[in-house]
Amino acid sequence: KNEVEQSPQNLTAQEGEFITINCSYSVGISALHWLQQHPGGGIVSLFMLSSGKKKHGRLIATINIQEKHSSLHITASHPRDSAVYICAVSRADDKIIFGKGTRLHILP
Amino acid sequence: NAGVTQTPKFQVLKTGQSMTLQCAQDMNHEYMSWYRQDPGMGLRLIHYSVGAGITDQGEVPNGYNVSRSTTEDFPLRLLSAAPSQTSVYFCASSDPRGLGETQYFGPGTRLLVL
Repeated sequence: KNEVEQSPQNLTAQEGEFITINCSYSVGISALHWLQQHPGGGIVSLFMLSSGKKKHGRLIATINIQEKHSSLHITASHPRDSAVYICAVSRADDKIIFGKGTRLHILP
Repeated sequence: NAGVTQTPKFQVLKTGQSMTLQCAQDMNHEYMSWYRQDPGMGLRLIHYSVGAGITDQGEVPNGYNVSRSTTEDFPLRLLSAAPSQTSVYFCASSDPRGLGETQYFGPGTRLLVL
C-alpha cells in the first residue's frame, strides 16, 4: 500500500464548480504539501500544512492530523485550474513521499 | 533570483553511457533533492541532501550517484545508463530543511535512454 493515496485519480468538472481533492497518508509526518503540475510539466508548491487550514485566493487546503487526511478545495473553478494536483508528505527522516496525483480538467 | 535551475532540458543517451544532470539553486537552501517522475508512478525520491557534504538515499537510488560539495550545486550522475532510467528528472530545494518548508522545483530534465 502506498504511504500517500490521492482520490480521485481523474476529475472532470464544469467551470464554476466546487472541486475537492483528497489525500490520505499512513505515516507520521511533520508537514503535508500540495503541489500543482502544469500541462507543460512545471511544478509549483501551493501549500505547506502542519495543522488546520490555509487559503490562497480560490484555493483552500485543510489537514486533519488525527485522521491523517488532507483536502484541497478549489472554489469557482476555471479552465486555467486544469492541472495535476499532487499531495506529498514530509517524513521525520527527511524524506518526502508523493501521491500519484489527481488530474483535473475544467471544461468551459 | 534564478531559483532552481536544471541542465540540460532534454538528453538522449545510449545504454551504457554516463552523464551528469546539473542542478543549482541561488536561494542558499540547505535541503536539495532529486526526483524522477514516471507515468502512473508519481514523483519518487532518488537522493537528497540536508547540507553541503551530506547526502542520503531515497526510494530509488540504484544506478545514481550524487555529491554536494557546495550549498548551491547538487549534480546527479548516471554511471551506466539503462532504458529503465528513461524518465523526467526534477531537482528541488527548500530552506532550512525538507521537513516542513516550501519546496522549489526546477523545470525538469527529460531523459531518453535508448
